Amino acid sequence: QQQVKQSPQSLIVQKGGISIINCAYENTAFDYFPWYQQFPGKGPALLIAIRPDVSEKKEGRFTISFNKSAKQFSLHIMDSQPGDSATYFCAASGAELGQNFVFGPGTRLSVLP
Amino acid sequence: NAGVTQTPKFQVLKTGQSMTLQCAQDMNHEYMSWYRQDPGMGLRLIHYSVGAGITDQGEVPNGYNVSRSTTEDFPLRLLSAAPSQTSVYFCASSYDRWGTEAFFGQGTRLTVV
Repeated sequence: QQQVKQSPQSLIVQKGGISIINCAYENTAFDYFPWYQQFPGKGPALLIAIRPDVSEKKEGRFTISFNKSAKQFSLHIMDSQPGDSATYFCAASGAELGQNFVFGPGTRLSVLP
Repeated sequence: NAGVTQTPKFQVLKTGQSMTLQCAQDMNHEYMSWYRQDPGMGLRLIHYSVGAGITDQGEVPNGYNVSRSTTEDFPLRLLSAAPSQTSVYFCASSYDRWGTEAFFGQGTRLTVV
């Protein structure tokens, strides 16, 4: 069973602060690492994704940092806003493995105004 | 363009009853999947399909059946509901299994009493 570990379970950040969520995986054959954002009562939606050939990807206030040797990747939310309050899931998949997406347990982010 | 549509949004079942959760997508995606979401456990794959007429089991398939007679529809059947199946169910579709964005429905909150 492939796993993706995610921490912290919950996170409280002041408006304007930086939110950091970390994930770790086991199998080096994973080759696609997306982050999904889920608001209450809604389905998850893709936020940003990275492949292991780059160490960082930035889209607006959201950045993925990827450390291939440590088998870790993280989501950084700069200038966090109350509208970012949601649950965030990291995931991993691997075409070589024939592996469907494996999701982390999620991080509930609360950004205080 | 509706994306992924799930019905119903809420359902209460008695133990032993059966029901079908409906899922339809209008993006002509070959890959569709069903997940259940439980607190602290992320999204766990129940069943998936790589195309019409082809289905396979995911991580937690027991107690569920699926079929894929068309590209658009992927219903999930609960054969004999149990309290352990109380969860939020999400249907998702994507271009492929591994490396592209998955689009999720709004979810079905199921309670088995």
